[in-house]
Amino acid sequence: DIQMTQSPSFLSASVGDRVTINCKASQNINKYLNWYQQKLGEAPKLLIYNTNNLQTGIPSRFSGSGSGTDYTLTISSLQPEDVATYFCLQHSSRTFGGGTKLELK
Amino acid sequence: EVQLVESGGGLVKPGSSLKLSCVASGFTFSSYGMHWIRQAPKKGLEWIALIYYDSSNKYYADSVKGRFTISRDNSKNTLYLEMNSLRSEDTAMYYCAKGHFDYWGQGVMVTVSS
Repeated sequence: DIQMTQSPSFLSASVGDRVTINCKASQNINKYLNWYQQKLGEAPKLLIYNTNNLQTGIPSRFSGSGSGTDYTLTISSLQPEDVATYFCLQHSSRTFGGGTKLELK
Repeated sequence: EVQLVESGGGLVKPGSSLKLSCVASGFTFSSYGMHWIRQAPKKGLEWIALIYYDSSNKYYADSVKGRFTISRDNSKNTLYLEMNSLRSEDTAMYYCAKGHFDYWGQGVMVTVSS
């Protein structure tokens, strides 16, 4: 099974900061990686699919990059409404990262 | 607008059964595979089952194989998860998700405790 290691688990940042969250796969996952945002009590929302494709309706401050085993979600300028938990999904063999809880400093 | 609404959760005793439902709207349900995913308290997400659009294929995580059954009724736009021989470690929030994991429901809580 492919394991996904997500870091950091917790992140505190200020409004306007550039934020990066990482997922590392135990083997090459050929860019089959999605990123999600989940706010308390809400359904997870797809932000980025297949590494770097922005889902319709998602603000352009969200972007994704990576290849091989290493993938990154970037929020270019953190907004208050971005406070949430973020997680990655390797959708080829359906394994998830452990999640990153993002808070405002 | 795509909507997925789960129901059927609750508190049950170990060894008992429960059936979850997920009603879909806003897309052609019969054209997409569907998944169940769960998240135990303070744990990560775990994929548990997939059913093809026409029910021709079903896949399960090892943790639920032989105890859980995924099914669907395309005439009712509804996905099901029948859970038998429930254990305390099955306690989790259960989510349904569409095809390529592009839309998820809000989840339904299942608690297995004596």
